[in-house]
Amino acid sequence: AQTVTQSQPEMSVQEAETVTLSCTYDTSESDYYLFWYKQPPSRQMILVIRQEAYKQQNATENRFSVNFQKAAKSFSLKISDSQLGDAAMYFCAYRKTSYDKVIFGPGTSLSVIP
Amino acid sequence: NAGVTQTPKFRVLKTGQSMTLLCAQDMNHEYMYWYRQDPGMGLRLIHYSVGEGTTAKGEVPDGYNVSRLKKQNFLLGLESAAPSQTSVYFCASSYSISSGGQETQYFGPGTRLLVL
Repeated sequence: AQTVTQSQPEMSVQEAETVTLSCTYDTSESDYYLFWYKQPPSRQMILVIRQEAYKQQNATENRFSVNFQKAAKSFSLKISDSQLGDAAMYFCAYRKTSYDKVIFGPGTSLSVIP
Repeated sequence: NAGVTQTPKFRVLKTGQSMTLLCAQDMNHEYMYWYRQDPGMGLRLIHYSVGEGTTAKGEVPDGYNVSRLKKQNFLLGLESAAPSQTSVYFCASSYSISSGGQETQYFGPGTRLLVL
């Protein structure tokens, strides 16, 4: 069974600095999708970034980028130039290509210090 | 284009009462999902639907029922609420045949349910 692990329950970063959130997953599949979702205090789940496993190039979205290490089954999220609005819960998620279920990690709570 | 909406936003129930949570999406998505979110446990899938008239069980289906009579709506029912069902409930949808994107889910704002 697939699992997603986020080993950092809480993280903090100084405003304008860079922070990396860790995520590891377990799967026997070769093709799949990985996601990072952000959940601010409003509780709305917002897609931050997605990565297709068959692509070697790491995905980027503005200040957000990932370090995808397929062999190590690692998918970390880097947030550059952190802003106060980045404070939220971040969930790493996995989805097998041909299956409908998304597996979510337990989340990392990110605080941004002014 | 409202995306995914959920009704109600917050509800308090007494043990044994029943209620229905409504999820609606206007993106012509085929797939819809109901999750519950509890502290330290991330999101867990309750039930999901891959099309109008079809539903399937997720990780934690016990105590819940669902229906997908219309493509745009996905209802989550609690027949006899229990305190263990106190949680935040999220609906999500994905995949339209015309635009693809099967793998990305779009979430509603959540419903906070308290069962006393």
